Amino acid sequence: AQSVTQLDSHVSVSEGTPVLLRCNYSSSYSPSLFWYVQHPNKGLQLLLKYTSAATLVKGINGFEAEFKKSETSFHLTKPSAHMSDAAEYFCVVRSNYKLSFGAGTTVTVRA
Amino acid sequence: EAGVTQFPSHSVIEKGQTVTLRCDPISGHDNLYWYRRVMGKEIKFLLHFVKESKQDESGMPNNRFLAERTGGTYSTLKVQPAELEDSGVYFCASSRTGGAQSNSPLHFGNGTRLTVT
Repeated sequence: AQSVTQLDSHVSVSEGTPVLLRCNYSSSYSPSLFWYVQHPNKGLQLLLKYTSAATLVKGINGFEAEFKKSETSFHLTKPSAHMSDAAEYFCVVRSNYKLSFGAGTTVTVRA
Repeated sequence: EAGVTQFPSHSVIEKGQTVTLRCDPISGHDNLYWYRRVMGKEIKFLLHFVKESKQDESGMPNNRFLAERTGGTYSTLKVQPAELEDSGVYFCASSRTGGAQSNSPLHFGNGTRLTVT
């Protein structure tokens, strides 16, 4: 079975500083990996996806993630946090049509 | 294009009552999914429709939950009778046809927050 582990339940950063959200996956074969974001009272929005093409994936709003098979990681980064990045972020692995979600990382951004 | 819409956005009911949640997928999306997040837990898969057929309902918690998708358009998820542990946020998602290995992304609705008191 495939699964993901998000290593931090909460991350707090200052506006303008880098953001790092960590995710490790478990998969018996090359996985499809995603990052979703949920802003308060909103639905889940796809940030980016990895599907065995380039290992460095660029997403929306300046986010990117790097797939590292040797480390079984898919960490999400952004060079400079903005107040609007405050939200909950989910690392997700897909097996056929079924998504398995990580527990989520809540990001707070300090002015 | 309009996104996935869910109704109602919030529902507060008493234990033992019945609640029906509705999901309208993006037009033309054959795949429809239900997920839920109970308090403090991870988002979990409930079931998957392809058009009007249930492809996989392995995530449905018990027989108090009934999902339908008549005509392959909108879907309903009924909980009868509701219990306290059913409280949480119920998400609907849809995607285009593409088969099991398709990389078509899932588009999620805003969710329905269900509170059972």
